[in-house]
Amino acid sequence: RKEVEQDPGPFNVPEGATVAFNCTYSNSASQSFFWYRQDCRKEPKLLMSVYSSGNEDGRFTAQLNRASQYISLLIRDSKLSDSATYLCVVFTGRRALTFGSGTRLQVQP
Amino acid sequence: DVKVTQSSRYLVKRTGEKVFLECVQDMDHENMFWYRQDPGLGLRLIYFSYDVKMKEKGDIPEGYSVSREKKERFSLILESASTNQTSMYLCASSLLQGAGEQYFGPGTRLTVT
Repeated sequence: RKEVEQDPGPFNVPEGATVAFNCTYSNSASQSFFWYRQDCRKEPKLLMSVYSSGNEDGRFTAQLNRASQYISLLIRDSKLSDSATYLCVVFTGRRALTFGSGTRLQVQP
Repeated sequence: DVKVTQSSRYLVKRTGEKVFLECVQDMDHENMFWYRQDPGLGLRLIYFSYDVKMKEKGDIPEGYSVSREKKERFSLILESASTNQTSMYLCASSLLQGAGEQYFGPGTRLTVT
């Protein structure tokens, strides 16, 4: 079983739609959680950290459910520029970050 | 503005060649990482280093080695390139070990023929 699992998509949504991605992690001792964004043929970049209380950054909301071991990312009012692959990332407290294989989002006009 | 640079964007090598991939960061970060990224498999950690001359194996170190002689530079070496090492290679650095934000270079797409 992969340490971090994501639905690869693609999620095809119209502009203005709300879309949500989930990600599950296997290690219950995981300490920190992040969403990274990767544009086509570009490097990943940190989108936001995920806190136990949930956090919001503009149109983006991240939530953590420790009991069920999943994190989510909600994007409201989707823009064409949101088209990218979203990587779920977990830190278990040892070694380095563990990356999911990503969920691809395509926002259509 | 933080910056991680990699020596080549595209590289084509023959099977059996020794390949050097260089990564340089200008943020004075202690921690540096090498990943490879393949479709459906995501980013997989090859090696990382949390100090000069220190290195630790990641999840897939076989066929690779690394060198960190200076804080700002982390090199990935393919001792004898094979076709299954054709991939996108991404270097990253971070201030904090593990949990901190990682800054990535633009990647090197390596093709081994």
